[in-house]
Amino acid sequence: SAVISQKPSRDICQRGTSLTIQCQVDSQVTMMFWYRQQPGQSLTLIATANQGSEATYESGFVIDKFPISRPNLTFSTLTVSNMSPEDSSIYLCSVERDYLMAHNEQFFGPGTRLTVL
Amino acid sequence: GQQLNQSPQSMFIQEGEDVSMNCTSSSIFNTWLWYKQDPGEGPVLLIALYKAGELTSNGRLTAQFGITRKDSFLNISASIPSDVGIYFCAGQLPRRNQGGKLIFGQGTELSVKP
Repeated sequence: SAVISQKPSRDICQRGTSLTIQCQVDSQVTMMFWYRQQPGQSLTLIATANQGSEATYESGFVIDKFPISRPNLTFSTLTVSNMSPEDSSIYLCSVERDYLMAHNEQFFGPGTRLTVL
Repeated sequence: GQQLNQSPQSMFIQEGEDVSMNCTSSSIFNTWLWYKQDPGEGPVLLIALYKAGELTSNGRLTAQFGITRKDSFLNISASIPSDVGIYFCAGQLPRRNQGGKLIFGQGTELSVKP
């Protein structure tokens, strides 16, 4: 499986500010994903980030609120903009082992625990 | 949109007991994945299932991909305290027209009493 790291691991932020979360993978991957996990809830896909193209957002998530960068095949960032307490969640990045393989498994980073006051 | 119904929502069992949890869906999936999440951590992949009817084991864990491709179950035999955590099923949508996205169940929280 891929080794995935996220920074920061946790943060406490003030309402109205923005936070950029970094995701670093130890190998090149085509597909990277960003998820949100609200307290006590399951995982919800925010967007898919492919290198060299704009991220594809799921229903209910917009680029202005969650801008994503994917500058190369091992790195991505997610920004949570103009934060409110409702944005308090765990944000997780994941990668797919190999887009071209018949069997595609997703592996997750350790997550970034965000608290907005 | 697609939804997965995972049950039970929580389980409290005695160490040594067997555990069973399942997921059902109204949609067909190409792949079923089972993850475990410990507090403060990201989900860790336990078992991946690729073919309808497939039965796969990983140590004390056994999972099956339902023949209709709309359900899956996970069994844990002889539970131990470190099995404590939240277990999630996830179904993967076809890549060709739905991007291979994962849809997650609501999770099963497992507590094991020593």
